[in-house]
Amino acid sequence: QKEVEQDPGPLSVPEGAIVSLNCTYSNSAFQYFMWYRQYSRKGPELLMYTYSSGNKEDGRFTAQVDKSSKYISLFIRDSQPSDSATYLCAMNTGFQKLVFGTGTRLLVSP
Amino acid sequence: GAVVSQHPSWVICKSGTSVKIECRSLDFQATTMFWYRQFPKQSLMLMATSNEGSKATYEQGVEKDKFLINHASLTLSTLTVTSAHPEDSSFYICSARPKREHAGEQFFGPGTRLTVL
Repeated sequence: QKEVEQDPGPLSVPEGAIVSLNCTYSNSAFQYFMWYRQYSRKGPELLMYTYSSGNKEDGRFTAQVDKSSKYISLFIRDSQPSDSATYLCAMNTGFQKLVFGTGTRLLVSP
Repeated sequence: GAVVSQHPSWVICKSGTSVKIECRSLDFQATTMFWYRQFPKQSLMLMATSNEGSKATYEQGVEKDKFLINHASLTLSTLTVTSAHPEDSSFYICSARPKREHAGEQFFGPGTRLTVL
C-alpha cells in the first residue's frame, strides 16, 4: 500500500463546476499538507499549504485536512478551462522529503 | 514571493559531455534544496536532498558520481550530469524549502529539459 493514495483520473468537468480532489494517507506523523498544480512541461506550483488540521481558503481554492481520517481535499469553485492541469497532493513530517500522490489530471471543458 | 528559478530551461548536449543546471531561490533563503526527475506522464522522482554547506543525500538507485550536487549558498544549488547519455534525457526540477520555523512546504523551479543526443 502506498503512503499516499490519489485517484489519477482524468476528471472531466464543465466550466463553472465545483471540483473536488482528494488524497488519503497512512502515516499519522504527517503534519504539513500541500496541493500543487502542474501544467505540462512545467514545474509544480504551490496552491495551498496547511499545517496540521483544518480548512484554508484562498480565492476559488479551499483545502481541507482531516487528520483523524487521514484525508485531505482540495475544492475548486467556478472551475475554468485554465484550471486544466495535474493536481498533486504532497505531505511530510516537516524536515523530511515530500511524499507525493500520483496526481489527478483535471480537464475543464468550456 | 517564493520564486525559484532554474537555468537553463532547455539544453541539448552530445553523449559523453557534462551539463550543469542551476537552481536559485530568488526572494528567500533555503535551508534545503531538492532535485527531482520526471518522465512524461509520471510523478516526480526525488533524486537527492542537499543542505547548504553539506554533502547531498542521494536516494537509493541514484548514482552520486553521475549526478553531482553542490549547494554553495542558501540561495543556490547546482546539479551536474556527468558523462551524459541518452537515457539521462529527462525533465529535471529543483525545489527549495524556506528557512523558517514550520516550513514544511517546498517551492519548485520551472524545470530543465535535458536532451542527450
